[in-house]
Amino acid sequence: QQQVKQSPQSLIVQKGGISIINCAYENTAFDYFPWYQQFPGKGPALLIAIRPDVSEKKEGRFTISFNKSAKQFSLHIMDSQPGDSATYFCAATMEYGNKLVFGAGTILRVKS
Amino acid sequence: DGGITQSPKYLFRKEGQNVTLSCEQNLNHDAMYWYRQDPGQGLRLIYYSQIVNDFQKGDIAEGYSVSREKKESFPLTVTSAQKNPTAFYLCASSMVRPGRGYNEQFFGPGTRLTVL
Repeated sequence: QQQVKQSPQSLIVQKGGISIINCAYENTAFDYFPWYQQFPGKGPALLIAIRPDVSEKKEGRFTISFNKSAKQFSLHIMDSQPGDSATYFCAATMEYGNKLVFGAGTILRVKS
Repeated sequence: DGGITQSPKYLFRKEGQNVTLSCEQNLNHDAMYWYRQDPGQGLRLIYYSQIVNDFQKGDIAEGYSVSREKKESFPLTVTSAQKNPTAFYLCASSMVRPGRGYNEQFFGPGTRLTVL
């Protein structure tokens, strides 16, 4: 049973545009939501994360928006660059646990 | 140079053979994890260990085995019982700090296993 649903499966954005990836979760016990970025042939790396007590978190060009009542969160990449081309995974966990549940991933391609 | 190393990068196995994937970390992390990555399915947890000589099954443990004899090492054996072992395998590690919030998982570069 997939507990974190991620969409779209793939995304093509023009350089300078906004990339938006959406995730929805089912388990209300989740209270920490990290996003991982993975380049081809590499392991994922933590990009940005949010707790449900805030509705938005911004780090540079990357922003997470969180809607607790809808059990949804999204990643926005502003001014997308070709170097942002990668696979992005949303995930969820209980903050004091250490088992991550991952979404299926979104393959982002930024066209120059 | 701290981090997680996985070897080999590519591995080919004949059907019916067991194969062991290596994972070593020098981050002094207590917890280690094995994930399997398949296209369109994200990362799925195979096994994890929070302390030496102890480990727990993840969501897809059937056909896999692990050991944790040393803090820095967590090898994964893919047995012949695993029906569809061709995949990208990722090892990760994290600190264990009870009650102190999320402990980031750091990933290794992965091993791509192909069954011939």
